[in-house]
Order: sequence, then structure tokens, then C-alpha cells
Amino acid sequence: AQSVTQLGSHVSVSEGALVLLRCNYSSSVPPYLFWYVQYPNQGLQLLLKYTSAATLVKGINGFEAEFKKSETSFHLTKPSAHMSDAAEYFCAVFDRGSTLGRLYFGRGTQLTVWP
Amino acid sequence: DARVTQTPRHKVTEMGQEVTMRCQPILGHNTVFWYRQTMMQGLELLAYFRNRAPLDDSGMPKDRFSAEMPDATLATLKIQPSEPRDSAVYFCASGQSSGNTIYFGEGSWLTVV
Repeated sequence: AQSVTQLGSHVSVSEGALVLLRCNYSSSVPPYLFWYVQYPNQGLQLLLKYTSAATLVKGINGFEAEFKKSETSFHLTKPSAHMSDAAEYFCAVFDRGSTLGRLYFGRGTQLTVWP
Repeated sequence: DARVTQTPRHKVTEMGQEVTMRCQPILGHNTVFWYRQTMMQGLELLAYFRNRAPLDDSGMPKDRFSAEMPDATLATLKIQPSEPRDSAVYFCASGQSSGNTIYFGEGSWLTVV
């Protein structure tokens, strides 16, 4: 079975500081991996995705994530946090190993950005 | 700009009433997911369809919830009768069966009083 673990349900950084949100997954086959962002009272917006092309994936709003197969990780980073980055971030893995194929989500990480 | 469309965006209803939420997936997407989000449980997969056929609805309370896809452009999630514990945000998402493009709607915010 697939699973996604997001380390840290809450992360706080100062404006301008590095953002690092951690995601580890388990999968029987190389997965497709996603990061979604959810702003307050809004839906989930696709931030970036890894679909077995380049291991370093760039997304919207200056975010990027690196797929590391040896570490089964897909951590999300941004060099310099902005106040507008405050939101909840979800890591997800698509189960390619099953004929059913479904998306598994982590529990989410709430990012707070301090001025 | 293609997007998943959900209606209603907000719904307040009384306990015992029927609630129907609708979703229009992105044209050409053959997989549709229904998720429920609450503070306590996070994102839960309720059901999903491929080519209009239900693949998995094990996450859905069978006694009161039902999900259907009458056609390729419409998915519905029905709760009858509704209960206060059903208060949540219900998201629809659609994608290709290959799984490399999955997009969410804005959600239906349900409050059952």
C-alpha cells in the first residue's frame, strides 16, 4: 500500500527565510508525486508535480521539489519565504503500481510566515 | 482555462435533509475523485470513478452516502439523510487514468445544523 508522511504538521519561518517542507513516501514502483497548496477557505491548487522526468521540479510561486529515490523523499523548498506563502501544503503520491490508480495524501503541513 | 467546477460552493442545511453536490470534471479527464476534508480527519477519499464506473467507494458511509456519474460531464455526491457530523468541505478532483495530471475543484462547504 502507498503512504505519504509529512514531517511536521506546523512549520514557522520568518519572511525571507528558507522554506523546507518534508515529505516521504512509500511505493512499490516509482510514483508520481505532487505538492498541493491550500489557502484559507479555498480549494487545493497544484503547486508542482514529478512524473519521472527531471528529478528537480520547479513549480509556481518560486517553489521547487527534488525527487530522491534513495531517500524516498520529495521535499518542498523555497529559498525566500513571503508572507503570501502562508497556507497549508499537501504532499501526494499517485499509485501507479495498481490498476486502480489513486492519489494518497499526507496529513498536511501548515506554514506560518512571520514578518 | 480548464477547471473542475463544483456546486454548490456553500450549503447550510438542517439535519435530516438531502444534500446533493455536483461536479463537472475537466473535459477529457476520465477519472473523478470525491474527497472530504475535516479538521480532525484531514483529506479522506470517499469514492472515485474511471470512465464513469465506480472503482472504489470504500471510504464512503454506505448507509447515507451515494456517488454516481450519470454522464462523463457530471459526477454527483448525495447525502440522505444528512447529519451534523457530515459538516465538512467536499472536494471533487479529476484527472487522466495515467495519473500525471489531477486537478481539484474549489470545494463544496457543507454545514449541517
